[in-house]
Amino acid sequence: AQKITQTQPGMFVQEKEAVTLDCTYDTSDPSYGLFWYKQPSSGEMIFLIYQGSYDQQNATEGRYSLNFQKARKSANLVISASQLGDSAMYFCAMRKGNNQGGKLIFGQGTELSVKP
Amino acid sequence: EPEVTQTPSHQVTQMGQEVILRCVPISNHLYFYWYRQILGQKVEFLVSFYNNEISEKSEIFDDQFSVERPDGSNFTLKIRSTKLEDSAMYFCASSGASGYNEQFFGPGTRLTVL
Repeated sequence: AQKITQTQPGMFVQEKEAVTLDCTYDTSDPSYGLFWYKQPSSGEMIFLIYQGSYDQQNATEGRYSLNFQKARKSANLVISASQLGDSAMYFCAMRKGNNQGGKLIFGQGTELSVKP
Repeated sequence: EPEVTQTPSHQVTQMGQEVILRCVPISNHLYFYWYRQILGQKVEFLVSFYNNEISEKSEIFDDQFSVERPDGSNFTLKIRSTKLEDSAMYFCASSGASGYNEQFFGPGTRLTVL
């Protein structure tokens, strides 16, 4: 069975500093996708970044990068130059296979607070 | 930019009543989903829908739940007889546009069962 683990219930970071949010996953499937979503206090789910299991390079999207370590089954999110607006819940998720139609399995989330 | 929309944003109902949550997925997407999030907890998968039929459902999605795509644009989730434990945020999502992997989520419907 697939499982996503986020071990940091809460994190603090100083504005303009970088922060890493941890995510480990468990799957026996060779093909899968890893996602990060941001959920601000308003409640919506905002897609941040995607990494495919066969992708050779770590994914990057602006200030977001995904530190993908396949052998360790980790997919940590790195946010560079934190901003006050980055304060939110962050969820790591996994989808089985390359099929775009697969369900997402979510972790418990990490609440990030950015201090001015 | 196209987006997933959901109505209503908040629904309050009495236990035992039927509710229908409505979603309009992004128009060229092929896969549709419902997820729920009980307050303070993680997001949980309910059901996925493709080619006018359920492709996968979770244990949560029992006989009290049903989904429908009544026309070319709407996607609905019906709960036949609501329970207190159905109180949650319900998210609709869609995916499947060529070249994109992400699931786009709607803003959610907060369901409160009294």
